[in-house]
Amino acid sequence: QSALTQPPSASGSPGQSVTISCTGTSSDVGAYNYVSWYQQHPGKAPKLMIYEVSKRPSGVPDRFSGSKSGNTASLTVSGLQSEDEADYYCSSYAGSNNLLFGGGTKLTVL
Amino acid sequence: EVQLLESGGGLVQPGGSLRLSCAASGFTFSTYAMTWVRQAPGKGLEWVSAISPNAVGTYYADSVKGRFTISRDSSKNTLYLQMNSLRAEDTALYFCAKGFYTGSWYIAADYWGRGSLVTVSS
Repeated sequence: QSALTQPPSASGSPGQSVTISCTGTSSDVGAYNYVSWYQQHPGKAPKLMIYEVSKRPSGVPDRFSGSKSGNTASLTVSGLQSEDEADYYCSSYAGSNNLLFGGGTKLTVL
Repeated sequence: EVQLLESGGGLVQPGGSLRLSCAASGFTFSTYAMTWVRQAPGKGLEWVSAISPNAVGTYYADSVKGRFTISRDSSKNTLYLQMNSLRAEDTALYFCAKGFYTGSWYIAADYWGRGSLVTVSS
């Protein structure tokens, strides 16, 4: 199965909102509410930001939110801050004990 | 505090073998599924393998099926990845990660190690 599709880059100014999309198929994103989002700063391990489409783990600011419509999931970062500049990856369960990741989106805070 | 520390990476020739370890602490290791995810240099994340809390269920990406074996030793709080018949395309930073829930491994991974670098080259 192919990786999920994310835009290579996204950007916004401090205080603005930015949305990153993650497009899959009816066999993965569209079939299961098991979409997660991870933040990765350069040289660091990924950090879980959103799970089960829209749930935030303890400690993740409520500026981060997730949603899903059909085969596309989205991560929205509101009130952009400089520390939000990082790579973001989506993942989705694809059935048959298979997990897919997106190609990643580099978020730049202008 | 949850900690995951990978080790065992290094330089290996094509066709060779390597075993990665992931030492876990700060949580009840035996009750959580565990996962291996890799990241080729400058590339994105790729799921590699996962194992259920009791090690009965083991799962693999098609790209490594038949070559890699995941296992765990709850007496040592350690996760393993035995990698055989290594190829150049297996070159990557290998992360171990803890399942968010005690059950299904694929829902999310809430803690990650810093990774162990595997380089496959002659």
